[in-house]
Amino acid sequence: DAKTTQPNSMESNEEEPVHLPCNHSTISGTDYIHWYRQLPSQGPEYVIHGLTSNVNNRMASLAIAEDRKSSTLILHRATLRDAAVYYCIHTSMDSNYQLIWGAGTKLIIKP
Amino acid sequence: DTEVTQTPKHLVMGMTNKKSLKCEQHMGHRAMYWYKQKAKKPPELMFVYSYEKLSINESVPSRFSPECPNSSLLNLHLHALQPEDSALYLCASSQREQRTNEKLFFGSGTQLSVL
Repeated sequence: DAKTTQPNSMESNEEEPVHLPCNHSTISGTDYIHWYRQLPSQGPEYVIHGLTSNVNNRMASLAIAEDRKSSTLILHRATLRDAAVYYCIHTSMDSNYQLIWGAGTKLIIKP
Repeated sequence: DTEVTQTPKHLVMGMTNKKSLKCEQHMGHRAMYWYKQKAKKPPELMFVYSYEKLSINESVPSRFSPECPNSSLLNLHLHALQPEDSALYLCASSQREQRTNEKLFFGSGTQLSVL
């Protein structure tokens, strides 16, 4: 079965970089890696996605391992507004392209 | 306008009631989704509509009945629910049905309590 694993929670200081890891050892060659975050009392919000190469956007960077079995979401300077649950997700060709969600990492930002 | 709007935000219903959840988007997206999320868990896919036709039903009990009246609207009709159906119900949309790299846009959800 496809599976995505993430740490349950992480803490970081405000204004410092945050690296959120994810393992997706069952990913296949055409499956995309997505990250979403969910702030309290809101629906999930798209953060970033990628296939093989590292990706950058205004919110974050995504570093993908060469074997694609793991990835890291990087927030370059975390603020209090980045406190949320971050979900690592990958598509699964074997499951009719459904999104395989990790359990999520609760990111706590300390002022 | 990049919003997905869900109403109501909160709903309390008895096990014999019939109610409906509503979802609306005006981004021209042709795929819409219903997800169910229990506390401290990731969302679970329930239904997918693609071009107003039901594309995926993830073996959801028949007491949940989806409806897509047009490309901007998605409803979820509820009847004879059980207390274990209490959860946050999320609607999402994307330009086309998620296959690889589509971005999903989520609403804020309806928090449902079944008494």
